[in-house]
Amino acid sequence: NAGVMQNPRHLVRRRGQEARLRCSPMKGHSHVYWYRQLPEEGLKFMVYLQKENIIDESGMPKERFSAEFPKEGPSILRIQQVVRGDSAAYFCASSKGQGNTGELFFGEGSRLTVL
Amino acid sequence: GENVEQHPSTLSVQEGDSAVIKCTYSDSASNYFPWYKQELGKGPQLIIDIRSNVGEKKDQRIAVTLNKTAKHFSLHITETQPEDSAVYFCAASSTGANNLFFGTGTRLTVIP
Repeated sequence: NAGVMQNPRHLVRRRGQEARLRCSPMKGHSHVYWYRQLPEEGLKFMVYLQKENIIDESGMPKERFSAEFPKEGPSILRIQQVVRGDSAAYFCASSKGQGNTGELFFGEGSRLTVL
Repeated sequence: GENVEQHPSTLSVQEGDSAVIKCTYSDSASNYFPWYKQELGKGPQLIIDIRSNVGEKKDQRIAVTLNKTAKHFSLHITETQPEDSAVYFCAASSTGANNLFFGTGTRLTVIP
């Protein structure tokens, strides 16, 4: 049973370009969460999605960031017009149930570097 | 919202000694407290969790205690081994919440 799969593992972008990060949840999981981790810091919640629905995006910046979890295919976190401050590790997690009713399983992360 | 504080930020222990990491939280509605271990270049992995209806939970060399009155919980690792070296994060959440609130992490180094 494969775990949470994220790709790419490493992504380098120049300022102004777009970054797309993909996440396939564990089999049987329909809840997906995106977290951001800045160097030497904890994980900060960004967005929580179920299939075709954004449930909570309270942690996601209003501008340049968007997320989706289509009926078919992986969840995608999209960052437009990247800036240096977007450099971070982006982790996806999935669960069977909502929030703390089920264990969150994390992927290995996508490390974005903005030059 | 919830605010989770974690101490210490770094911790070095000799192999075989015990390690204790402490967290406090602010929201009295929080009732779920997981601990994650993150190795270099990897994602966080759940190692133990506790819910507010119990005060202590143990799993082999790892234990977690919870004091709801004081709003703090701790991770205890006994007989530490070099492979325990990693960054440990505490987190808190409440029923119906959509996310976990993480502490800032403790970098544990076990010296052989």
